Amino acid sequence: DAGITQSPRHKVTETGTPVTLRCHQTENHRYMYWYRQDPGHGLRLIHYSYGVKDTDKGEVSDGYSVSRSKTEDFLLTLESATSSQTSVYFCAISRWSNQPQHFGDGTRLSIL
Amino acid sequence: EDQVTQSPEALRLQEGESSSLNCSYTVSGLRGLFWYRQDPGKGPEFLFTLYSAGEEKEKERLKATLTKKESFLHITAPKPEDSATYLCAVQALAITQGGSEKLVFGKGMKLTVNP
Repeated sequence: DAGITQSPRHKVTETGTPVTLRCHQTENHRYMYWYRQDPGHGLRLIHYSYGVKDTDKGEVSDGYSVSRSKTEDFLLTLESATSSQTSVYFCAISRWSNQPQHFGDGTRLSIL
Repeated sequence: EDQVTQSPEALRLQEGESSSLNCSYTVSGLRGLFWYRQDPGKGPEFLFTLYSAGEEKEKERLKATLTKKESFLHITAPKPEDSATYLCAVQALAITQGGSEKLVFGKGMKLTVNP
């Protein structure tokens, strides 16, 4: 298995609270991604990083921010969580942009 | 807009009953097409990458093929352990800083293989 750890694995929180999800990799891959997976939508890209402190928006970036201060860590922050952000969040990594992405086991986030 | 459509949405087979899953795509400049397998409560697991029409890849009972408009995942003599959701994704060329070509996923196809 690719060395990807997501934390926490499960979280329940209330509307309006800040939430930070962490993705940690031990593969020294350059690219890291955050996706959300919802029934009827498939996986959708939120943000991605192509290096330390280098990030860009994906398809569904509104309401989310990211940071990458070290190669191994990629953080996803919901500044003020809303019920529409209830989802399963996956982190993925790839060595280069044209190579397969490998996924973590996800964080199940419920916002009440 | 880049799109990926998978069909059928769900498929139920008997053990040993071969079948194919379809992935149709429209993309402005295909860099690659990816197949993943996803088990409940887990992240997607990479299976294959296909880059050009006519290319084929095989792994155990699975064989992936690619044309200019679609890809097929053929499952030969499936076993119950092949039960999973299969995801198709295309990597489209996206000219952005850093040069990352983003993946666009289909909604997935849930395969159930009964013993």
